[in-house]
Amino acid sequence: GGIITQTPKFLIGQEGQKLTLKCQQNFNHDTMYWYRQDSGKGLRLIYYSITENDLQKGDLSEGYDASREKKSSFSLTVTSAQKNEMAVFLCASSFLRDWGQDTQYFGPGTRLLVL
Amino acid sequence: GDSVTQTEGPVTLSEGTSLTVNCSYETKQYPTLFWYVQYPGEGPQLLFKVPKANEKGSNRGFEATYNKEATSFHLQKASVQESDSAVYYCALGEGGGSNYKLTFGKGTLLTVTP
Repeated sequence: GGIITQTPKFLIGQEGQKLTLKCQQNFNHDTMYWYRQDSGKGLRLIYYSITENDLQKGDLSEGYDASREKKSSFSLTVTSAQKNEMAVFLCASSFLRDWGQDTQYFGPGTRLLVL
Repeated sequence: GDSVTQTEGPVTLSEGTSLTVNCSYETKQYPTLFWYVQYPGEGPQLLFKVPKANEKGSNRGFEATYNKEATSFHLQKASVQESDSAVYYCALGEGGGSNYKLTFGKGTLLTVTP
């Protein structure tokens, strides 16, 4: 088994602020993902990283940067937080073996509130 | 592009009644279909997945059949319990390498009352 740890659990920021969210996994998974979860909109992919040093944009990458520091860690930066923004950011990881069949394992999320 | 459409929530059921959450998908490829469940305060976790058409997946009393002709993957449970209260996500996975993508539906919030 393994676990995904996301820090911080809650993040309160000011409009225009740069905010960084961190994710660590000990599954030894190749691929890591960042999703944004908004009520009624499901999960939308922001960035993902196939392997260490790789970075791929998802459907919602505008306004975000990401960094895969090492195999076990993946960070997401909100480049300029928007006022009244409220969402949950979920980190996930998976092996990359079975062409679309791999299960993604999720962390508990970071809850963002921008004042 | 690919898309997944599922029953709009919220859905409220009494304990012991049956559940169906509809899921339809659109894709030009040959996907694996997933059901994920998310309990309050947690991230989504895999309920089960089905990689091949016409096969059934199941776990914890939930089941769904991958119907390629109807492009559907409806989630069913004969008798729900209060502990089944959660958000359920249908998802479609396809491709590989840098093209791998998991497309989620918008989720269905289920509340089961005692």
